[in-house]
Amino acid sequence: AQSVTQPDIHITVSEGASLELRCNYSYGATPYLFWYVQSPGQGLQLLLKYFSGDTLVQGIKGFEAEFKRSQSSFNLRKPSVHWSDAAEYFCAVVLMDSSYKLIFGSGTRLLVRP
Amino acid sequence: GAVVSQHPSWVICKSGTSVKIECRSLDFQATTMFWYRQFPKQSLMLMATSNEGSKATYEQGVEKDKFLINHASLTLSTLTVTSAHPEDSSFYICSARNTGGEAFFGQGTRLTVV
Repeated sequence: AQSVTQPDIHITVSEGASLELRCNYSYGATPYLFWYVQSPGQGLQLLLKYFSGDTLVQGIKGFEAEFKRSQSSFNLRKPSVHWSDAAEYFCAVVLMDSSYKLIFGSGTRLLVRP
Repeated sequence: GAVVSQHPSWVICKSGTSVKIECRSLDFQATTMFWYRQFPKQSLMLMATSNEGSKATYEQGVEKDKFLINHASLTLSTLTVTSAHPEDSSFYICSARNTGGEAFFGQGTRLTVV
């Protein structure tokens, strides 16, 4: 069955430090991949997406993610974290069957030290 | 960018009553909308897929008579929690998919059943 795994439940980084959030997927074909961010009590905001083409995708707020087929990964990165980046981050995959369901990973909570 | 409006953002209701949540795509037509439920500090769990003009497709374990979904037009889907009980208290989020396959999320509805 298709699945999305975010192995880190929470990560703490210092402001200004670099960040990498891990995401692995299990899927027979190349899926459509997404990263979303959720602030407490809020909906989700799309950071970036990968459909095809260049495996390094740029998103909003200075985030980027790299699709690595050999590792079935789509890790999110940011070179310098800001305090406002503290939030919950979700990796998601669209099932490329007729349903086009969006399946989410369990999320990673990012805490930023001043 | 595309906007999805979800209303109300929060609601408190008495046990045994029904609550309707609306999800509107404001600047695009959405043939498919999705309803998610999110428990505190957990990921989003897909409840059902709502297709305009047809019956919703529910995920395994989701009671269709409990969570009534109506997708009456290309811009509106509603979720009605019938005979709500305290265990139905949760954060409900809708998303609407555009013709490009991208999903946009509402801001969510915090339901508290007392």
